[in-house]
Amino acid sequence: GEDVEQSLFLSVREGDSSVINCTYTDSSSTYLYWYKQEPGAGLQLLTYIFSNMDMKQDQRLTVLLNKKDKHLSLRIADTQTGDSAIYFCAESDRMDSSYKLIFGSGTRLLVRP
Amino acid sequence: EAQVTQNPRYLITVTGKKLTVTCSQNMNHEYMSWYRQDPGLGLRQIYYSMNVEVTDKGDVPEGYKVSRKEKRNFPLILESPSPNQTSLYFCASWKGGSYEQYFGPGTRLTVT
Repeated sequence: GEDVEQSLFLSVREGDSSVINCTYTDSSSTYLYWYKQEPGAGLQLLTYIFSNMDMKQDQRLTVLLNKKDKHLSLRIADTQTGDSAIYFCAESDRMDSSYKLIFGSGTRLLVRP
Repeated sequence: EAQVTQNPRYLITVTGKKLTVTCSQNMNHEYMSWYRQDPGLGLRQIYYSMNVEVTDKGDVPEGYKVSRKEKRNFPLILESPSPNQTSLYFCASWKGGSYEQYFGPGTRLTVT
């Protein structure tokens, strides 16, 4: 079945760039997502990319998609302490409107002052 | 304010005592879903609903029931909770054809 994998932990210094990586197995994924979970809160959509795109940039966030290697990355420029959270990679399982999400295990980002 | 609400936020119960976690959304979304989050496993879908009276199993439905009698509400029912259902539960909703799911704040359930 479909699988999404992420490393569990990343620690960076404030002001540095963070790169969170994700690999997926379903080659028919339509959308790939990054969700952010702050402590004690639910998940919020951070950004997404269509499978026919290679890159998407949104302010400090850059998403890179390598379809050949089924690899997705999220780069956060000038990382701030407020970026400390768990980041989930997810893919859409279906082409229809149900948009079932398959989540990775989440990467905990710790930003050191 | 557009939101998904869950109640209770925290619950400690004993094995076998039936419980219900409520979920409500005010965005008129057709789709709703329940997930559980466990360390190292990410979020796994329990059940989802495509509209009133239409539900389907997700990846881990055993031990859970749901109902969708009204569009805004999607309660999760544990008829006979067991310790392996100790987890963090999230409800989500989204509009048909939209890629963005909106999540509730979570319910932390402990079954002893």
